[in-house]
Amino acid sequence: AQKVTQAQTEISVVEKEDVTLDCVYETRDTTYYLFWYKQPPSGELVFLIRRNSFDEQNEISGRYSWNFQKSTSSFNFTITASQVVDSAVYFCALSHNDYKLSFGAGTTVTVRA
Amino acid sequence: EAQVTQNPRYLITVTGKKLTVTCSQNMNHEYMSWYRQDPGLGLRQIYYSMNVEVTDKGDVPEGYKVSRKEKRNFPLILESPSPNQTSLYFCASKQGGARSEETQYFGPGTRLLVL
Repeated sequence: AQKVTQAQTEISVVEKEDVTLDCVYETRDTTYYLFWYKQPPSGELVFLIRRNSFDEQNEISGRYSWNFQKSTSSFNFTITASQVVDSAVYFCALSHNDYKLSFGAGTTVTVRA
Repeated sequence: EAQVTQNPRYLITVTGKKLTVTCSQNMNHEYMSWYRQDPGLGLRQIYYSMNVEVTDKGDVPEGYKVSRKEKRNFPLILESPSPNQTSLYFCASKQGGARSEETQYFGPGTRLLVL
């Protein structure tokens, strides 16, 4: 069975602060994919990143960065210098070599001006 | 524009009244799927389809039906809706093939309220 845990239900920060979202996963497969999605207040799901289990390089995209640590089964997401537009629900998800995405419960991020 | 569309976007209905939520994609994707989103539970898969006439159950299929008669369409059918099916529904698609590494693209969501 595969499982994704996002222990932080809500995070509130002041603009320009950094915020890190935790994601811990469980899987028995050696090949799998990890994802982050953003859901702004408008409700749509926006794809942010996909990482496969053989690529443990950290990634940076603008103010976003991801830290993949296979040893701790974690795939954490950091927003640097947060902005009000970053306010959203963020989902971590896991997929094996099949057609199912298993999502975490999501973390609501509120960035206050 | 490549997209996944869902209709209706918002729907209020009553218990027992059959309804269909349509999903259509214009990217010639083989794989399509339905998820429901509930507070504190994230998204859970209802059904998925790997190609035309090939469908399978996800984690929460009870109370739902699907069909895949054409590649572009994957409607979700609630034969007798109940209040516990009040939720936000998402359709998704991706380029298929076994072990495809492609990313799933999500539709805009359908908010359903069953009274």
